[in-house]
Amino acid sequence: DIQMTQSPSSLSASVGDRVTITCRASQSISSYLNWYQQKPGKAPKLLIYAASSLQSGVPSRFSGSGSGTDFTLTISSLQPEDFATYYCQQSFSTPPYTFGQGTKLEIK
Amino acid sequence: EVQVVESGGGLVQPGRSLRLSCTASGFTFGDYTINWFRQAPGKGLEWVGFIRGKPYGGTPEYAASVRGRFTISRDDSESIAYLQLDSLKTEDTGVYYCSREGTHWARAIRQIKVFDYWGQGTLVTVSS
Repeated sequence: DIQMTQSPSSLSASVGDRVTITCRASQSISSYLNWYQQKPGKAPKLLIYAASSLQSGVPSRFSGSGSGTDFTLTISSLQPEDFATYYCQQSFSTPPYTFGQGTKLEIK
Repeated sequence: EVQVVESGGGLVQPGRSLRLSCTASGFTFGDYTINWFRQAPGKGLEWVGFIRGKPYGGTPEYAASVRGRFTISRDDSESIAYLQLDSLKTEDTGVYYCSREGTHWARAIRQIKVFDYWGQGTLVTVSS
């Protein structure tokens, strides 16, 4: 199975900050990488697919990059509604689908 | 409007069974693969399994952690997918989500599978 590792596990930042979360796959997954946002008590929401494509309706301050084994999710200017937990997920070799352990973004 | 709703969670003793339902609307249910996920309290997302849509054979696949204990089925006439949980363990406690598996086009890789519509989740608590 492909293992996904995110860093950091948690992150404190302020409104207006630029934030980057990284995700590393245990083997090359090309661009078969998605990012999800989850707020407490809610279901995950698709943000980015295929490493860098923005899901419809997602604000343009979210962006993704990378291919192979290393990927990043960037929020260019944090808004209050962005404080949540973010997960990467690989769709390269399935089943199983695998997720990173999550990055909790908290208000500083 | 696409909607997905889970139901059937609750408190159950170890070793007992429970059946969860995933009721969908707003799309041609039979054409889509439906995935199940779970999230233990304070933990991350874990894929549980899926059942393929009719065009792909309608067959299920499972995570190793639940294979042999959980069974996924579907009733396309009612637009419902089921997750049968047998021989439950305390470590099966968590919120269970179902999701539609969509396919997005991306220039570099052509197509990629995504989880585009999720239910609100249903809580399963396994405790004596």
